[in-house]
Amino acid sequence: GAVVSQHPSRVICKSGTSVKIECRSLDFQATTMFWYRQFPKQSLMLMATSNEGSKATYEQGVEKDKFLINHASLTLSTLTVTSAHPEDSSFYICSARTGRSQETQYFGPGTRLLVL
Amino acid sequence: GENVEQHPSTLSVQEGDSAVIKCTYSDSASNYFPWYKQELGKRPQLIIDIRSNVGEKKDQRIAVTLNKTAKHFSLHITETQPEDSAVYFCAANQAGTALIFGKGTTLSVSS
Repeated sequence: GAVVSQHPSRVICKSGTSVKIECRSLDFQATTMFWYRQFPKQSLMLMATSNEGSKATYEQGVEKDKFLINHASLTLSTLTVTSAHPEDSSFYICSARTGRSQETQYFGPGTRLLVL
Repeated sequence: GENVEQHPSTLSVQEGDSAVIKCTYSDSASNYFPWYKQELGKRPQLIIDIRSNVGEKKDQRIAVTLNKTAKHFSLHITETQPEDSAVYFCAANQAGTALIFGKGTTLSVSS
């Protein structure tokens, strides 16, 4: 149980375009999902916390107008990178928390974004 | 907010030796401390975790110790094997908050 999927797994786009990444909890309802970004050879950096039905909470330094997060249902959160630039190229990983455990997070497989 | 420091950043051991990775955290309210193993291009995989009401936990060759007073916790891998080579991350959080990760340790096990 507690499986999280992400789509797409890899995406290449041109500079200036927008890219949407989906994060789904497949076998549980996730009231809270988290979005992380990981640059090569670095750690996972928390970008935002996404709660179903409410606005996301962004970490300091993360532009909320650039990284749009929508958590419209208990099984789906989306991250849209707007007007992507080469410096946005990164590995984006979502995670979700079940209602049973307030601490444990289950991670998606990640999305590799390359902006040309 | 929480801040997690992790050392060392790289660790090279011979097959069969033990490996120890250490982390410290800043928020005394944190009560959950997982360790993840990440292979290149893949999601982090939980290998062991510990909660603040326990001082030590062991799972076969892997153990974690926690010192809440000093706010540090450690990962111990015994009898290392080449397949243990990966990047290891510690993390910390409390109920309802996101996991905050250390910077990672690249473990290399040579045969």
